[in-house]
Amino acid sequence: DQQVKQNSPSLSVQEGRISILNCDYTNSMFDYFLWYKKYPAEGPTFLISISSIKDKNEDGRFTVFLNKSAKHLSLHIVPSQPGDSAVYFCAARNSGAGSYQLTFGKGTKLSVIP
Amino acid sequence: DAGITQSPRHKVTETGTPVTLRCHQTENHRYMYWYRQDPGHGLRLIHYSYGVKDTDKGEVSDGYSVSRSKTEDFLLTLESATSSQTSVYFCAISDRGLAKNIQYFGAGTRLSVL
Repeated sequence: DQQVKQNSPSLSVQEGRISILNCDYTNSMFDYFLWYKKYPAEGPTFLISISSIKDKNEDGRFTVFLNKSAKHLSLHIVPSQPGDSAVYFCAARNSGAGSYQLTFGKGTKLSVIP
Repeated sequence: DAGITQSPRHKVTETGTPVTLRCHQTENHRYMYWYRQDPGHGLRLIHYSYGVKDTDKGEVSDGYSVSRSKTEDFLLTLESATSSQTSVYFCAISDRGLAKNIQYFGAGTRLSVL
């Protein structure tokens, strides 16, 4: 049973426009959410995170929104740049047993078109 | 790469042979993880460690074993490699397992089992 879902395998956006990547989760025990970015032949790199007590966290061009009632989070990238082209993974931490584990979604491949 | 070295970076082996992948960190982080990444599956946790000689199973642990005799080294062993274990393997580390779960990843090991 997939607890973290990224339903869009891919997304194409024009340079300068907004990219919105979505993530849904099913486990109510998730209390901390992270986004990772991955380039080909490299390891994932941490991008931004949000605690379940917040509904928004911003870092430069990147903003993550959390809607707890809908069990949904989104990553907004504004403006999108060609260097943002990568696979983005959503991850969630369970506040219960084994809270040092993360559960990852399958990823969304973002292509920013110049 | 947050002081994480994975070796080897690439390996081709034959079915039935033992394989050991190494993860070495220079950050003195307590928690270490092994993931595999496969198309359509995202990142899945194989095993993790919460201290020297303290390890536990993740989501896809069958066919894998781990050892951690020193803080800096976390070994992943495939006792008898199978073609289904062809994958890209990532090691990750984190420092505050309970308070925060930002995991930092190595560059990965691409393993092909023929």
